Amino acid sequence: KNQVEQSPQSLIILEGKNCTLQCNYTVSPFSNLRWYKQDTGRGPVSLTIMTFSENTKSNGRYTATLDADTKQSSLHITASQLSDSASYICVVTPLGGNKLTFGTGTQLKVEL
Amino acid sequence: DAGVIQSPRHEVTEMGQEVTLRCKPISGHNSLFWYRQTMMRGLELLIYFNNNVPIDDSGMPEDRFSAKMPNASFSTLKIQPSEPRDSAVYFCASGNTQYFGPGTRLTVL
Repeated sequence: KNQVEQSPQSLIILEGKNCTLQCNYTVSPFSNLRWYKQDTGRGPVSLTIMTFSENTKSNGRYTATLDADTKQSSLHITASQLSDSASYICVVTPLGGNKLTFGTGTQLKVEL
Repeated sequence: DAGVIQSPRHEVTEMGQEVTLRCKPISGHNSLFWYRQTMMRGLELLIYFNNNVPIDDSGMPEDRFSAKMPNASFSTLKIQPSEPRDSAVYFCASGNTQYFGPGTRLTVL
C-alpha cells in the first residue's frame, strides 16, 4: 500500500529558529511531491511542488528537498515566524494519476 | 480570482437528514476533487472529476454519499442519510495543482 509518513508528529520551536520536517514515502513511481501548509480552520495551501527529477525547491523561507533514491523529502523553514504555526503535510502523486497520497502531517508551533 | 468557493462553511444537522455541500472551482480548471479530513484519518480523497466526468469515486465511503458536477463551475457532494460518523471537514480542490477551498465543517448530531 502506498504510504507517506511524516516526522515529527509535532514540534515546538522558538521564533527565529530554523527547523526541518521529514517525509518518507513508498509511492513509486511518482510524478511529484508537494508540501502543503494548513492553518487551523483553513484549507491546505501549496508551498512547493517537486517532480521526481528535482532535488530542491524554494518558496521564500521554505525550502524543500527530495531524494528519490531514498524516497525521502524534507521541508526546511528558516527564521521561523509566529505565522508559521500550522500543520505541514507532505503529499505524493503517483505517476499517471491524480490521486494524491497524503501524509498525516507535522503540527508546528512557533513560540515567542 | 476568488479561489475555490465552498458553501456552507459550517453545517450542523441531525442524524438522518440530507446534507448537500457545494463547490465552485476556479474558472478554467478542468479537474475537481472532494476530500474529507478528520483527526483520526487525515485527508482522504472521496472522488474526483475531470471535465465534469467522475474519474475515480473509490474513496466514497458508501452509497449514502453521492457527488455531481453538472457543469464546469459547480459541484455538489450529498450525504443521505447523514450519520454522526460523517462529521468532518469536507474540502473541495480544483485544478491539477489542487487549490483547496476553505472547507465545510459538518457536524452530525
